[in-house]
Parts: sequence; structure tokens; C-alpha cells
Amino acid sequence: GAVVSQHPSRVICKSGTSVKIECRSLDFQATTMFWYRQFPKQSLMLMATSNEGSKATYEQGVEKDKFLINHASLTLSTLTVTSAHPEDSSFYICSATPSDNPQTEAFFGQGTRLTVV
Amino acid sequence: GENVEQHPSTLSVQEGDSAVIKCTYSDSASNYFPWYKQELGKGPQLIIDIRSNVGEKKDQRIAVTLNKTAKHFSLHITETQPEDSAVYFCAAPQRGSTLGRLYFGRGTQLTVWP
Repeated sequence: GAVVSQHPSRVICKSGTSVKIECRSLDFQATTMFWYRQFPKQSLMLMATSNEGSKATYEQGVEKDKFLINHASLTLSTLTVTSAHPEDSSFYICSATPSDNPQTEAFFGQGTRLTVV
Repeated sequence: GENVEQHPSTLSVQEGDSAVIKCTYSDSASNYFPWYKQELGKGPQLIIDIRSNVGEKKDQRIAVTLNKTAKHFSLHITETQPEDSAVYFCAAPQRGSTLGRLYFGRGTQLTVWP
């Protein structure tokens, strides 16, 4: 099946710094990608929809200035957590749907474990 | 928006037994219902999905049933094996949205005892 890769898989950063997470579709183009956050033993919560060449769409309650999303190409979306704090520590997961067949399925990355100290 | 409820939150079965996980959804317009398996520290992996034009779909030991009238769908795993132990999530897309924009259930921790 199609592969979505996230980088890094784990990151530790100091409180107040920013960290960037990459999401790449390796063997298909994705006009749209999605970012989720998952706290320990909880479900995945949709944060935002990343749109290639245009602004991201954020879910209610998600701060767009804190979670910056850039989708500059058809295979790459990035999530930047700005001025990170310990409460931002979480598992961040991206997914993507193929541009040529968006009604197939959403392919998920392996996730990025962010720890803010 | 869509509201997805999932039960049970934990499920323990003996190897070889069957496991059933149930989900209900609120939006009658929803037409795509995937099930994901998530192992510790990994992203979710699609194991089976069903669209609203069918009532049941099966793939080897895994099956999903859909009752559109009652707005619920279920995951059935037969002949369970220890490697089936994981967290399972159901999901449904938000109304009028691409199927990639998913609302997830709260998850079911399945433990299969050898």
C-alpha cells in the first residue's frame, strides 16, 4: 500500500523553543494531508487539514499561530509547534489521501513523539 | 459534526475466541467507516473499511458489519491470536468532508491471552 513517512519519529525540545515535524507521501501525491494529536491512552484528535498551495484549515479550539502548517509541495506537509510547552507533549500523527483518488483511504504516518522539557 | 461512540474500552479474550467491538455514529449522511489497529508507539493501520452501500465485508478473520438504520457498525475478529492484541479504533468522516478528515472513537484495548 501507499506509504506516508514522518520525521522525526521522536523529538525532545526545551520549553519555549519550536519544533518542526515533516510528513511525506512517498509514492503518491497528496493535495490534502491531515494532522492529528494523540495524548496517552486517548483517541486521535483531528487538529487541522493541510492544503497544498493554500492555508490550512484548523479544527475548533486549535491555535493556528501555535501550530503552523505548511504544505508547499504535493508530497510534503510540515507542522511546526511554536513556543512549545510541556502540555504540548503528545504523539502527533499525519495522514494523507491520494490526489488522484481521494475516496480510497487515508494513509497514516508512523507518528512523532514530542516531549517538551 | 460527527460523533462516534465506541464500546467496550477494554476487551480480554482467550486465544481462539472471537472479539466484537461496536461503534455508533450520529451523522446519517456518513458513508465510510474504517477500522484501525494501533500498536504501541506506532501510527494507526487500516485493517478493514466499509462503505454505506454494503452491509457486511469480510477479509479472512476480520469482518465489519454496518447497520445504517441504527447507525452502528461493528468489528468482528474470529480465531483471535496474541498478535491481535492492540488498540482498535473506529472512525467516520465529518459531514460533507473528504474521507481523510476523520472523527475517531475512543478506542478499544484488545488483549488476547495465549
